[in-house]
Amino acid sequence: GAVVSQHPSWVICKSGTSVKIECRSLDFQATTMFWYRQFPKQSLMLMATSNEGSKATYEQGVEKDKFLINHASLTLSTLTVTSAHPEDSSFYICSARDQGRGTQETQYFGPGTRLLVL
Amino acid sequence: DAKTTQPTSMDCAEGRAANLPCNHSTISGNEYVYWYRQIHSQGPQYIIHGLKNNETNEMASLIITEDRKSSTLILPHATLRDTAVYYCIVRVRANAGKSTFGDGTTLTVKP
Repeated sequence: GAVVSQHPSWVICKSGTSVKIECRSLDFQATTMFWYRQFPKQSLMLMATSNEGSKATYEQGVEKDKFLINHASLTLSTLTVTSAHPEDSSFYICSARDQGRGTQETQYFGPGTRLLVL
Repeated sequence: DAKTTQPTSMDCAEGRAANLPCNHSTISGNEYVYWYRQIHSQGPQYIIHGLKNNETNEMASLIITEDRKSSTLILPHATLRDTAVYYCIVRVRANAGKSTFGDGTTLTVKP
């Protein structure tokens, strides 16, 4: 199946700093990528939809100025957590949509990035 | 997307079949049933999906009732590595990617 990678796999930062997380589709082009957040013992929550070449669409309650999303190419989307605080500590997961695979499942998830803000 | 209901947790003996149920009584005619699983501290993994016919692949089988209001994911010979949270999601195919994850079922396979 298709592969989606994330970098870094985990990051620890100080409160007030910004952290960038990369999501790459390795063997397909993804015009659309999705960012999820998962707190401990909870399910995944969709944060935003990242569209190549245009502005991201954010879910209700997600601050677009705090979670900056850039989808500059068909294989890369980045999520920047600006001025991170301890409450932003979470597991961030991206998924990419492969629209070229016909009737097969087209959503592939990355391995996730664990963020710890001290 | 239609709402789904799954049991919170289930146990299964290693080597036996694991049958995970999902209720989706408000499913629309153009909505598919998708199953994903998430092993601890990893991203979700696609398992299988279907519209109305039963489906089988190398990982599992999906049985959808005739009225499509419920489905069952079957892992024919569960192994310890199948221990994970299993999510049943109902969505229109065009929304691929914009999945609404419920709480899922935590399957524990025991030796």
